[in-house]
Amino acid sequence: GAGVSQTPSNKVTEKGKYVELRCDPISGHTALYWYRQSLGQGPEFLIYFQGTGAADDSGLPNDRFFAVRPEGSVSTLKIQRTERGDSAVYLCASSLSGLGVNTIYFGEGSWLTVV
Amino acid sequence: SQQGEEDPQALSIQEGENATMNCSYKTSINNLQWYRQNSGRGLVHLILIRSNEREKHSGRLRVTLDTSKKSSSLLITASRAADTASYFCATENSGGSNYKLTFGKGTLLTVNP
Repeated sequence: GAGVSQTPSNKVTEKGKYVELRCDPISGHTALYWYRQSLGQGPEFLIYFQGTGAADDSGLPNDRFFAVRPEGSVSTLKIQRTERGDSAVYLCASSLSGLGVNTIYFGEGSWLTVV
Repeated sequence: SQQGEEDPQALSIQEGENATMNCSYKTSINNLQWYRQNSGRGLVHLILIRSNEREKHSGRLRVTLDTSKKSSSLLITASRAADTASYFCATENSGGSNYKLTFGKGTLLTVNP
């Protein structure tokens, strides 16, 4: 596609439920990133993929959060046993390569509300 | 954790005026980038300035970088109502994690018609 595509755009879930958020990066981009943005804050880094592997998952807040990118393209961010504090916009981004200076392109985000 | 701090947090101006937003950061960087965000949705990349550059222009945007003061400014000239958005600076820190951006909290710019 022309840009980074994220689905769903909005998700309301009950506390304790499992959630999956999907990201379809720009075709040909090997680097993929997940960020989380809480209300009134800037985005915060969660995880970075280079190809299929998670090169840096140091931003994942705890073991309820997990992300995969099995074929080096689409990525899924998985959140288990959701908590109200997980409510945020989850932003996916991609770039041609994670090395050197590359413009990073962001998707429109998935708004997650945990009630 | 957030590295950049934008100043002011909110700015309201009239159409046609210039808008200046500042960003300060704490650690050494490879580059600094400015992004725009409308209504909490996706971020749009505006401009990137490398650590060895002092000034960069793109259309109505002018970015400066002072690495000795660890600060940057974004100037939008001849503002338009459509420039209303949140603006974030993001740093790519030196020292290994050069794929990771660290964002500030943003400046909310309102341009009144």
